[in-house]
Amino acid sequence: GAVVSQHPSWVICKSGTSVKIECRSLDFQATTMFWYRQFPKQSLMLMATSNEGSKATYEQGVEKDKFLINHASLTLSTLTVTSAHPEDSSFYICSAQEPNQPQHFGDGTRLSIL
Amino acid sequence: DQQVKQNSPSLSVQEGRISILNCDYTNSMFDYFLWYKKYPAEGPTFLISISSIKDKNEDGRFTVFLNKSAKHLSLHIVPSQPGDSAVYFCAARMKTSYDKVIFGPGTSLSVIP
Repeated sequence: GAVVSQHPSWVICKSGTSVKIECRSLDFQATTMFWYRQFPKQSLMLMATSNEGSKATYEQGVEKDKFLINHASLTLSTLTVTSAHPEDSSFYICSAQEPNQPQHFGDGTRLSIL
Repeated sequence: DQQVKQNSPSLSVQEGRISILNCDYTNSMFDYFLWYKKYPAEGPTFLISISSIKDKNEDGRFTVFLNKSAKHLSLHIVPSQPGDSAVYFCAARMKTSYDKVIFGPGTSLSVIP
């Protein structure tokens, strides 16, 4: 149980384009979803937390207009990296959580901006 | 300012022996601690957790110990198996409206056959 699907797993695109990453909880309803970013050989850095139907809460230093998060349903959250640039290249991971349960993670998306 | 620390970036252990991964934290407001295991190019997988009101939790080969006064926890894996080779993240939850979790930098465990 507790499967989280993240798509796409790998994306390469040109600088200036926008990229959307989807995160779905397949067998449970996720009241909360989290978006993380991981640089090579570093830990997961929380970018934002989203509850279904409400605006995301962004961590300090994360640009809201750059990283758009939508949590439209209890099973789907999306992260859109707008006008992506090479410095946005990273490994992005989502997680989903039911109340009082551990977070369950997707397999991540490797984003490469050329 | 790192609130969750894992001071050993890597650890090598012989198969069959005990692996001990350590974690220290600074914030006394953390109420719940978790360990996650991560393989390359995959998301972390939840392993085991412990509430701040307990000092030990055991699940099969995995045991987590919590020393609140020292703000220290450890994950014991016994016996260690080659398939346990991965990066292990210690994480701590601060009870807010969104159950925010802070991750440590991870320890890379290699179990040598």
